[in-house]
Amino acid sequence: EIVMTQSPATLSVSPGERATLSCRASQSVSSNLAWYQQKSGQAPRLLIYSASTRATGVPARFSGSGSGTEFTLTISSLQSEDFALYFCQQYHNWPPLTFGGGTKVEIK
Amino acid sequence: QLQLQESGPGLMKPSETLSLTCTVSGDSIITSSRYYWAWIRQSPAKGLEWIGSIDYWGGAYYNPSLESRVIISVDASKNQYSLKLNSVTAADTAIYYCARHDVVPVSPFDAWGQGTLVTVSS
Repeated sequence: EIVMTQSPATLSVSPGERATLSCRASQSVSSNLAWYQQKSGQAPRLLIYSASTRATGVPARFSGSGSGTEFTLTISSLQSEDFALYFCQQYHNWPPLTFGGGTKVEIK
Repeated sequence: QLQLQESGPGLMKPSETLSLTCTVSGDSIITSSRYYWAWIRQSPAKGLEWIGSIDYWGGAYYNPSLESRVIISVDASKNQYSLKLNSVTAADTAIYYCARHDVVPVSPFDAWGQGTLVTVSS
């Protein structure tokens, strides 16, 4: 099983600032890595797939990078609606499909 | 527009069998052979946990950690698929989501239901 580890667990950022979230895989997942956003009381929403491709309708301030075992989600200028939970997920090797533990982006 | 809707009991007792159904609207499971139909759960203790996925032909893949207790099946005539999880314990308390992902290549989950909370308590 590929274990996904996200850091930090909580990120405190002021509106308008940049946020950088990390995700590490226990073995290479190539570029088969997705990022999701989850707001309170809602299901996760796909933001990024193939490590760096934005899903339909996702604003350009969201960008993903990395390959192999190290990945980054960057939110260039945080808007009020971006304060949420973010998860990474690998789909390179399954079963099982596995998720990271999440990073909470909160208002500083 | 694709919509997924979970339904099932909100409260269960330990040792019972959990049965959930996902109703798909806006797309047809029969004609959507390119997709897997999945179950995922979320709890404070375990975070997001993939339970399993099933394809149009009924081929199912399960999380090894749950495989001995899980069955996922498709009822194409009703455009639904279902989850059965037996011998539940408090550790199975979670929000259960149904979701969709591509078959070839295997892809992330691009559509989710709103989720249904299942509580296991005596």
